Amino acid sequence: QKEVEQNSGPLSVPEGAIASLNCTYSDRGSQSFFWYRQYSGKSPELIMFIYSNGDKEDGRFTAQLNKASQYVSLLIRDSQPSDSATYLCAVNSPGNQFYFGTGTSLTVIP
Amino acid sequence: EAQVTQNPRYLITVTGKKLTVTCSQNMNHEYMSWYRQDPGLGLRQIYYSMNVEVTDKGDVPEGYKVSRKEKRNFPLILESPSPNQTSLYFCASRGPGSALPSQYFGPGTRLTVL
Repeated sequence: QKEVEQNSGPLSVPEGAIASLNCTYSDRGSQSFFWYRQYSGKSPELIMFIYSNGDKEDGRFTAQLNKASQYVSLLIRDSQPSDSATYLCAVNSPGNQFYFGTGTSLTVIP
Repeated sequence: EAQVTQNPRYLITVTGKKLTVTCSQNMNHEYMSWYRQDPGLGLRQIYYSMNVEVTDKGDVPEGYKVSRKEKRNFPLILESPSPNQTSLYFCASRGPGSALPSQYFGPGTRLTVL
C-alpha cells in the first residue's frame, strides 16, 4: 500500500508569517509531487508541482523535494487569511495512480 | 471555458438502488479518474482511465464500476449502493496538452446512501 503522510494539524500562523507544511511518501518510485489547496466544500486546486530534488518557487509559495528522504514540503511566505484552507500533498506513481495525503488544515490569524 | 463537470452535485438515495454519477470534460484529456473523499481518510482513487476503453482499478474499487466509451465522459456506476459509500466524490482529468501536469477536478458530488 503506497502511503502519503501529512500532519493533519491544525496549523495556525499569524498573518505575514511563514507557514511550513510537510509530507512524506513511501514509494521510492514516485515521480511527480503536487500540492493542492482545498477550501471547505470545494474541489482541490493545484498550487505547486515538483519533479526534481531541490526547491521550486512560485510567488509566495516554495515547494521542496528530497527524494532520498522521501520528503516534500510547502512553504507559504507572507501568509494571508485567504490562505486558510486544507493543503493536500499528492504523489504520482509510475503506474499512473495518484496518492493523496489526508491534508493539513492551515489557519492564518489576522 | 475548460472544465470538468459532474452530475448530480448532490444525491440522496437508498441502499441497493443503482445510480450513475456522470463526469464530462471538454479539454480532450486522455486521463480521467474518480476519487472519494472521507474525513480522516483523504482523497482515495477509485478508478482511472488512460484512454478510451482502458480502465484500471485504484485503491478502493470495490462496489464501483466505470466505463470509458468516449474520451470526454467517464461515468461512475454504483450497482448496489451501501451506506459505506456515502462520501464526497470527485472526478478529475489530465492530458498531455495540459499547461500543468496535474489534474483538473470537477466540483464534486455529495452522495448519501440511506
